[in-house]
Parts: sequence; structure tokens; C-alpha cells
Amino acid sequence: AQSVTQLDSQVPVFEEAPVELRCNYSSSVSVYLFWYVQYPNQGLQLLLKYLSGSTLVKGINGFEAEFNKSQTSFHLRKPSVHISDTAEYFCAVSGPGNQGGKLIFGQGTELSVKP
Amino acid sequence: DAGITQSPRYKITETGRQVTLMCHQTWSHSYMFWYRQDLGHGLRLIYYSAAADITDKGEVPDGYVVSRSKTENFPLTLESATRSQTSVYFCASKYDSNSPLHFGNGTRLTVT
Repeated sequence: AQSVTQLDSQVPVFEEAPVELRCNYSSSVSVYLFWYVQYPNQGLQLLLKYLSGSTLVKGINGFEAEFNKSQTSFHLRKPSVHISDTAEYFCAVSGPGNQGGKLIFGQGTELSVKP
Repeated sequence: DAGITQSPRYKITETGRQVTLMCHQTWSHSYMFWYRQDLGHGLRLIYYSAAADITDKGEVPDGYVVSRSKTENFPLTLESATRSQTSVYFCASKYDSNSPLHFGNGTRLTVT
């Protein structure tokens, strides 16, 4: 069975500093990986996805993530954060062996950007 | 382009009552999903559907019932609500098994 672990429940950071949100997954088969962002009182929006090809994936709002198969990780990074990046971020995994295209989500990381 | 709509946005009900949460999508996506979001648990899958008249259980299906008579609708029913079902419920849809999920804005349900 697939699972996702987000290693930090809360990440406080100052504006314009770099940030990394960590995500590890477990799966015995090939995977598709996603990062979603949730702003207060809203649904989740897709930030970026890895299906195949280049291991460095660029998403919206200046975020990027790197797929590392040997370390089973998919960490999310941004070189310089803004106040508006304050939100909850979810890592998710799916895959060809995952019946019905289900996404399994991590528990979320709350990013708090301070001035 | 309305996308995916959930109703109601907020609901308060009493223990033992039946409650139905509605989900409607305008994209004709094949796949639809119901998740619940609780502090410390992230999003947990309740039920999903790969097409009309096809549904299957997720991680936490107990106490919930779904139906999918039409592609665009995927209602979630709590047959006899319990306090442990107080949560935020998200409906989502996707075009095919490799596509990303598109989420509704959620229904905040409180069971008193």
C-alpha cells in the first residue's frame, strides 16, 4: 500500500527566506506525486505534479519540487517566500497500481510566513 | 465554467439525523471522490467513483453512503450522524486516473 509522510507539521519562516517542505512516500511500484496548497476556507489547488520525465518539476507561484527515487522523497522548495504563501501544503501520491486513481495524502504542513 | 460545486457550505445537525452533502461537477470527469479533513489526519478518502453507477470504499467509509446515478453528481449521505463525523468534507473530481484532482470549496459539518 502507498503512504505519504510529511516530516514537518509546521514551518515558520521569514519573508524572502528560502523554504523546503519535506515529503517522503512509500510504494512498491512506480508513483505519481503531487503537491497541493490550501488557503484558509478554501479547497485544495494543485501546485505541481510529477508523472514521469525530468525529476525537477516546476509549479505555480515559483514553487518547485524534486523527485528522488532512491530516497523516496518529493520535497517542495521555494527560493524566496512571500506573506501570501502562508497556507497549508499537502503532498499526495498515486500510481498505476492505485485502483481508481486514488490520491493518498500526507497530513499537511502549515507554512507560516512572517514579515 | 462553474467547475465543482459543493452544497451546503456549512451545516449543523443533531446526532442521529440523516444528512446529505451534495457535489456537482460540470466537466464530465469520470472520477469523483469524497474526502474528510480533520486536524492531525490530513485528508482521508471516504468513497470514490470511477464512473456512473460504480463506487468503491476508501479508507474511512463506515457511516457513509454514496450514489452516482449521473456522471456529474456524487452525493454523500450520513445515514445517522455522529459527533465523530464533525469535519470538513471535500468533493473532488478528475478526468482520468493520471490527472490531478480538482477540489470543491468544502462543506463544514458540525454534529451536535
